Amino acid sequence: LAKTTQPISMDSYEGQEVNITCSHNNIATNDYITWYQQFPSQGPRFIIQGYKTKVTNEVASLFIPADRKSSTLSLPRVSLSDTAVYYCLVGDRTGTASKLTFGTGTRLQVTL
Amino acid sequence: GAVVSQHPSRVICKSGTSVKIECRSLDFQATTMFWYRQFPKKSLMLMATSNEGSKATYEQGVEKDKFLINHASLTLSTLTVTSAHPEDSSFYICSARGLAYNEQFFGPGTRLTVL
Repeated sequence: LAKTTQPISMDSYEGQEVNITCSHNNIATNDYITWYQQFPSQGPRFIIQGYKTKVTNEVASLFIPADRKSSTLSLPRVSLSDTAVYYCLVGDRTGTASKLTFGTGTRLQVTL
Repeated sequence: GAVVSQHPSRVICKSGTSVKIECRSLDFQATTMFWYRQFPKKSLMLMATSNEGSKATYEQGVEKDKFLINHASLTLSTLTVTSAHPEDSSFYICSARGLAYNEQFFGPGTRLTVL
């Protein structure tokens, strides 16, 4: 399983764009990159998933360079409610037993 | 997205008793379910992986006789903490994955407190 490295914490003001970068140097060919958000005392919530280049949905964008050894989650115009822990995970989504290993995550604090 | 529920959401029990936690996939068939535990301000730790109809695969260091996992149907997995002790107090989270989905869906978690 590819190990991931993220900043432990980040601070932002409301309305700013936040970019959280994750390193996964030993990502395998079949691995996808998935980001989850977790609020205190809740289960993680899926944000976005990608394999290469750029993926965008209604809440975030995911940028993946050609070598796929890192990825960046971009949250446009964050609000106070985006204060949470964000986890970057790498895993093979094919088959039925693609287990995910959580790293330390990035604790994002948004203030006024 | 798909919905995963857990029951109970929180439980308090006396030391030495057993506690069962249920994880259900409400609107899809979960071929694989995962159980995690999480201590305060720490990351999720994978405990075991279970496939419907077969024995669970436990991660290194997780006592299979202590944490009994059953995945008897495509929509239900249970985790039983046997002879619970205060050090078993934690936040237990399940996730489920079905063939029709590319990601795992997580339950809301169960807060276990052992007195």
